[in-house]
Amino acid sequence: SAVISQKPSRDICQRGTSLTIQCQVDSQVTMMFWYRQQPGQSLTLIATANQGSEATYESGFVIDKFPISRPNLTFSTLTVSNMSPEDSSIYLCSVEYSGDQPQHFGDGTRLSIL
Amino acid sequence: DAKTTQPPSMDCAEGRAANLPCNHSTISGNEYVYWYRQIHSQGPQYIIHGLKNNETNEMASLIITEDRKSSTLILPHATLRDTAVYYCIVRPRTGTASKLTFGTGTRLQVTL
Repeated sequence: SAVISQKPSRDICQRGTSLTIQCQVDSQVTMMFWYRQQPGQSLTLIATANQGSEATYESGFVIDKFPISRPNLTFSTLTVSNMSPEDSSIYLCSVEYSGDQPQHFGDGTRLSIL
Repeated sequence: DAKTTQPPSMDCAEGRAANLPCNHSTISGNEYVYWYRQIHSQGPQYIIHGLKNNETNEMASLIITEDRKSSTLILPHATLRDTAVYYCIVRPRTGTASKLTFGTGTRLQVTL
């Protein structure tokens, strides 16, 4: 399975600031996804990161708040913009090689906003 | 996507088999059953998946009923390290990647 590295692993930020989270995979993958896990909750998909085009966002998530880049087949970034305490969550990257293969997850970025 | 129903929590003694049930009564013919687990402070870990036949790998066995409306994940000899939240997910087989919809899962506590 893929080795997925997320940076930073955790951060504490001030409200109103923005943070960019990086996801690096050790091999080329077809699909990359970004999920959010709020405290005590399950995972919710934010968006699908598309290589060379705009990300596909799920209902309730918008590009202005969560801009995503995917410049190549091994790397993606998620920015959490204009943060508020409600954005305190774990943000997880996942990758997939093809539609019939399982997704694999990084260990996430634990974000706290003061 | 079809929805799944799992018990919120289960206990299992170390060394015994852990049998985690999942109900997916509205599953359609082209949908797989996937199982993931999430150990505290880690990302979800893929365990196993299947379409209609029973599956086994080094981690677990997946038993799917003949009508495909329910399944059971079996950890044959549970250890303390198997304590985690286990998610049963139904996902279409589309040929292209599709999102995973996580429910609330089953919190498995393995005890001495």
